[in-house]
Amino acid sequence: QSALTQPASVSGSPGQSITISCTGTSTDVGNYHLVSWYQQHPGKAPKLLISEVTKRPSGVSTRFSGSKSGNTASLTISGLQSEDEADYYCCSYAGYSIYVFGTGTQVTVL
Amino acid sequence: QVQLVQSGAEVKEPGASVKVSCKAFGYTFTTHAIAWVRQAPGQGLEWMGWISANNDNRNFVQGLQGRVSTTTDTTTSTAYMELRSLRSDDTAIYYCARYNRGDSACDYWGQGTLVTVSS
Repeated sequence: QSALTQPASVSGSPGQSITISCTGTSTDVGNYHLVSWYQQHPGKAPKLLISEVTKRPSGVSTRFSGSKSGNTASLTISGLQSEDEADYYCCSYAGYSIYVFGTGTQVTVL
Repeated sequence: QVQLVQSGAEVKEPGASVKVSCKAFGYTFTTHAIAWVRQAPGQGLEWMGWISANNDNRNFVQGLQGRVSTTTDTTTSTAYMELRSLRSDDTAIYYCARYNRGDSACDYWGQGTLVTVSS
């Protein structure tokens, strides 16, 4: 199972909105409504931001939102803040009880 | 609050085995499966697989089958992952995470265990 494709880096100024894409195939992202997103700060464990494409766990800022179209899922961060500077990973169910992560995107706040 | 606490860093020689533990606190251990994810230095996250808390179901990626063993101890709320025949490319931080089946996501993560494979 190949990793999902994400841009290596995305940047934006404080207050702006940015979108991170996550492209898979018809056997993973395109076939299931089971995409999650994780935020990872340097030296820390990942943190769940979004599950099932659009669901935000309790405690996660409403500035984070998810969507999906075809084989591509997206994470949008609105009102970018300095603490959003981190790595972001998508993850999709790929069938047979297996998941696959994205390649990861480094977000820089200018 | 929910917390997963993993065992400490390990240094192993190629060909050896390593066993990582993951002790759960703050929830009923048997209600959620445990997933294992690893991250090589400077690299992205890699899904390894998962095990049900009561030990009756597990599934790991094909590339690891035959080298990985997982088990849980419900009396101590602890999950274990053993990786055998270690190679240098197994050097990574190994994370356990609580797998929330309802959300199909890992909602709580351990702090990670660094496993270094080096002669």
